[in-house]
Amino acid sequence: DSGVTQTPKHLITATGQRVTLRCSPRSGDLSVYWYQQSLDQGLQFLIQYYNGEERAKGNILERFSAQQFPDLHSELNLSSLELGDSALYFCASSLKGGNSPLHFGNGTRLTVT
Amino acid sequence: SQKIEQNSEALNIQEGKTATLTCNYTNYSPAYLQWYRQDPGRGPVFLLLIRENEKEKRKERLKVTFDTTLKQSLFHITASQPADSATYLCALGSSNTGKLIFGQGTTLQVKP
Repeated sequence: DSGVTQTPKHLITATGQRVTLRCSPRSGDLSVYWYQQSLDQGLQFLIQYYNGEERAKGNILERFSAQQFPDLHSELNLSSLELGDSALYFCASSLKGGNSPLHFGNGTRLTVT
Repeated sequence: SQKIEQNSEALNIQEGKTATLTCNYTNYSPAYLQWYRQDPGRGPVFLLLIRENEKEKRKERLKVTFDTTLKQSLFHITASQPADSATYLCALGSSNTGKLIFGQGTTLQVKP
């Protein structure tokens, strides 16, 4: 058990809708990362937060947004959903960012129909 | 653009043999490299980290090498077991950001 909790485990929604994915990091970790994993793209880095502040950004679509709250949990908001957004979304946390190992949750499987 | 390449074809080996997985990268000067294991339907699990100034790192049956001239890392599992069957991901990071970029992964199948 990595100590990272992601909810919900599964999410099925229709195109055009908006969803929120939630992540609770491992106790003591200050940095949270979001990744998208699809069969053809592998693990794609979306965004990283450190102690509430955005630290690094990947190829995150403008329809997607995220934030890290004062209690360090994080949410990833996906809006105007398209079929191509169907994927596994992973949250990971690390002690301080930098070269610290990442601890991954088991992901939220999003299916857009 | 930055590119990380891992063998896309699955690696099939016999139990007891050494598995060697390759990670090559271009257009990138990482400060460190990490290896992860991912089982189906689960999140990746951290295995080893090696820094740019280190040539080799070991942990139990695992060994990682890092050649910044060749822009390549090799990941070895000695005395492989069927329980080692999984997808192995390499990931590169820079020292100034926490951004960690992953390769597509190589699937290892160890047959008894």
